[in-house]
Amino acid sequence: DGGITQSPKYLFRKEGQNVTLSCEQNLNHDAMYWYRQDPGQGLRLIYYSQIVNDFQKGDIAEGYSVSREKKESFPLTVTSAQKNPTAFYLCASSIDGTDSLVNQPQHFGDGTRLSIL
Amino acid sequence: AQSVTQPDIHITVSEGASLELRCNYSYGATPYLFWYVQSPGQGLQLLLKYFSGDTLVQGIKGFEAEFKRSQSSFNLRKPSVHWSDAAEYFCAVGPTSGGSYIPTFGRGTSLIVHP
Repeated sequence: DGGITQSPKYLFRKEGQNVTLSCEQNLNHDAMYWYRQDPGQGLRLIYYSQIVNDFQKGDIAEGYSVSREKKESFPLTVTSAQKNPTAFYLCASSIDGTDSLVNQPQHFGDGTRLSIL
Repeated sequence: AQSVTQPDIHITVSEGASLELRCNYSYGATPYLFWYVQSPGQGLQLLLKYFSGDTLVQGIKGFEAEFKRSQSSFNLRKPSVHWSDAAEYFCAVGPTSGGSYIPTFGRGTSLIVHP
């Protein structure tokens, strides 16, 4: 079955440590996204990528970094510069990141919950 | 820029009762609208979407939504709620003209179902 796989499901970070959240999709989607979800705040966009080797900052990119070396993979690194990383992180993908096709809805992974030790 | 407002943070209904979750959007043209559902600790699942045409949209799990341009609304409805519908519901709006497709999500409405 096609879908998006996020790992790990739970992750703990120590002070001053960088951690990387994995996101893999086998839907052959061009566009991928990372969201942060905090209680009562809905989804906030961290980074997105419309195509391999290209990505753009979202609304809350500070303290995060991404790469898009392969179409199916879009890992997110939470750096030590992110002072409040405790949250639920969601990865999503869509067929196309532009409007050239009818806006296709996003498909979501099951998320990674990051906590501070 | 587009925006989405979900006025209700929590909604409580009894099992078997009808449900309406409100969503208002702000956008300069005809928007693309979506409703997603999120069960605890999981990702979002698409319930339904509106792009054009019939303003009453049918989705999965017995949900429907109606696009009302005059009211800038896209409310989600279900005639009879089941206990398994308890979850977080998100309305989202996408741009329709040029550029990147980055949907804007509302803050969500938490649905509580009483037996």
